[in-house]
Amino acid sequence: KQEVTQIPAALSVPEGENLVLNCSFTDSAIYNLQWFRQDPGKGLTSLLLIQSSQREQTSGRLNASLDKSSGRSTLYIAASQPGDSATYLCAVRSLDTGRRALTFGSGTRLQVQP
Amino acid sequence: EAGVTQFPSHSVIEKGQTVTLRCDPISGHDNLYWYRRVMGKEIKFLLHFVKESKQDESGMPNNRFLAERTGGTYSTLKVQPAELEDSGVYFCASSQDAAGVTLRQETQYFGPGTRLLVL
Repeated sequence: KQEVTQIPAALSVPEGENLVLNCSFTDSAIYNLQWFRQDPGKGLTSLLLIQSSQREQTSGRLNASLDKSSGRSTLYIAASQPGDSATYLCAVRSLDTGRRALTFGSGTRLQVQP
Repeated sequence: EAGVTQFPSHSVIEKGQTVTLRCDPISGHDNLYWYRRVMGKEIKFLLHFVKESKQDESGMPNNRFLAERTGGTYSTLKVQPAELEDSGVYFCASSQDAAGVTLRQETQYFGPGTRLLVL
């Protein structure tokens, strides 16, 4: 059974810092991995999706990497801003024919101090 | 392009009552998913529709939950009768065609959720 862990659970940094959020998963047989952000009381916003065959994806100041063999993904945020404050969630779609269910981690709550 | 919408945004009901949640996926998305987060837990998968057919309902907790997607457009999730442990946030998501080859087509787009409180 796939399990997804995110460390740290919470993180507070001053504005301008580069930071890394970690995600690990127990079963390396994945189809893809998706990073989301969630603002308080809001839904999930998709940030990046990485296919199992890819090593990384970039969008603006965000860069997500994937090391499938070691069961790890990282989300790198460059030059953090107060507007980046949110909960970041990692979700894995396992390589299971016909199944598209995502398995979520519990998230990292990020606070960027102005 | 309109995103995934859910109704209502909040619902407060008493134990034993019935509640029906609605989800409208992004237009043209064949795949529709229901997830939920109960207090203090991770978001968990409930079920997946491809058009009007249930593709995967392995996450449905028990037979008090009934999901439908008549006509392959919007979906409803009914909880009857509701129990205290059903309280949480219910999310709906959608994605494009099952044979999609682009990252955009495989991305699951989430709605804002319905916050359910059972008293």
